Amino acid sequence: EDKVVQSPLSLVVHEGDTVTLNCSYEVTNFRSLLWYKQEKKAPTFLFMLTSSGIEKKSGRLSSILDKKELFSILNITATQTGDSAIYLCASTGNQFYFGTGTSLTVIP
Amino acid sequence: DTAVSQTPKYLVTQMGNDKSIKCEQNLGHDTMYWYKQDSKKFLKIMFSYNNKELIINETVPNRFSPKSPDKAHLNLHINSLELGDSAVYFCASSLTHRTEAFFGQGTRLTVV
Repeated sequence: EDKVVQSPLSLVVHEGDTVTLNCSYEVTNFRSLLWYKQEKKAPTFLFMLTSSGIEKKSGRLSSILDKKELFSILNITATQTGDSAIYLCASTGNQFYFGTGTSLTVIP
Repeated sequence: DTAVSQTPKYLVTQMGNDKSIKCEQNLGHDTMYWYKQDSKKFLKIMFSYNNKELIINETVPNRFSPKSPDKAHLNLHINSLELGDSAVYFCASSLTHRTEAFFGQGTRLTVV
């Protein structure tokens, strides 16, 4: 059975901390791993990863994929209160699956 | 211009009623989806349409039926609403079923 598992389920940090969010997957005919950020409304797209070992960066956010070990991480450095959100990873293969999400709370 | 738009944003209705949620995308995408997000924030796929053909139908009660008049629209019709149907329903679209999806703003359905 295909699945996408994220950890931790929730995380509370102080502003300025660095966080690492994890996503592991077991997906038939895997093609890509995607990260989304969901605040109050719809998820918004962050990254799509298709190749192992190539880091993608956008400001303080970065992500990398390991296709051998079947996982991805999302790093956020120097966290700010505006980073508080649910972070979702999803995989594409035969289907488009989302993980359970990690709820991140950044406190001042 | 809103890329993926769904209506209504909020829907409050009584048990047993039938309701529809509409979704339209102007991105020229071939694939559209419906997701249900429950109170625990878990986003579960319900349906996927690729060029008007249903390609995914998860374990969703047959009270839920997707209807796609053309590839820019995927509406969700729900019969005999139950309390457990209360959730936020998201429509999304992607160029293909293997590329990133773009989401509508969601419809919060409350069944009373």
